Amino acid sequence: QKEVEQNSGPLSVPEGAIASLNCTYSDRGSQSFFWYRQYSGKSPELIMSIYSNGDKEDGRFTAQLNKASQYVSLLIRDSQPSDSATYLCAVTDSGAGSYQLTFGKGTKLSVIP
Amino acid sequence: GAVVSQHPSRVICKSGTSVKIECRSLDFQATTMFWYRQFPKKSLMLMATSNEGSKATYEQGVEKDKFLINHASLTLSTLTVTSAHPEDSSFYICSARDGRGKRANEKLFFGSGTQLSVL
Repeated sequence: QKEVEQNSGPLSVPEGAIASLNCTYSDRGSQSFFWYRQYSGKSPELIMSIYSNGDKEDGRFTAQLNKASQYVSLLIRDSQPSDSATYLCAVTDSGAGSYQLTFGKGTKLSVIP
Repeated sequence: GAVVSQHPSRVICKSGTSVKIECRSLDFQATTMFWYRQFPKKSLMLMATSNEGSKATYEQGVEKDKFLINHASLTLSTLTVTSAHPEDSSFYICSARDGRGKRANEKLFFGSGTQLSVL
């Protein structure tokens, strides 16, 4: 059974600090990895996608992927209170023609002013 | 990013009634849409994959006669919760794939969700 694991948190960081969110996955054949942000009572919003080993930066967000370790992370620099949300890691199934995402349970981030 | 519209955003209904939720892709065609449900403080659980012009594929444990899915066009999928009961109360979210752009066919964009409360 394909699994995506995340620390549920809550992860608390002071405003301006770097928040580090981690995710591991079980399907070694997975090719695509996503981070979604979900505010309470709202639907998820895609914030980052990454497909190759290494780092991918977009503004204050950096996604890191290590396929050998089956590990993907999200760094949020200069954290703001508005970043407080649950962050969902999602991984595409490796089955041929399959575009289903398996989601982790999410990590709740709280940025303290 | 692509826009997926979902409505209604909130439904309160009596036990035994049926509720229809609509999911539309506004600026792209979606041959495949996905329906999820989410209980409070829990992650998204895929219920079914909706394919335009064919039957939906349901995940294990999801009753297809309970959760009717219709994907009659490239921009619209509907989920009908039939004979709803209090245990069906949940947050239902649809998503669709946007096939534009490099590897974009794997990105999912979500509707705003529907909070269903069955009394």
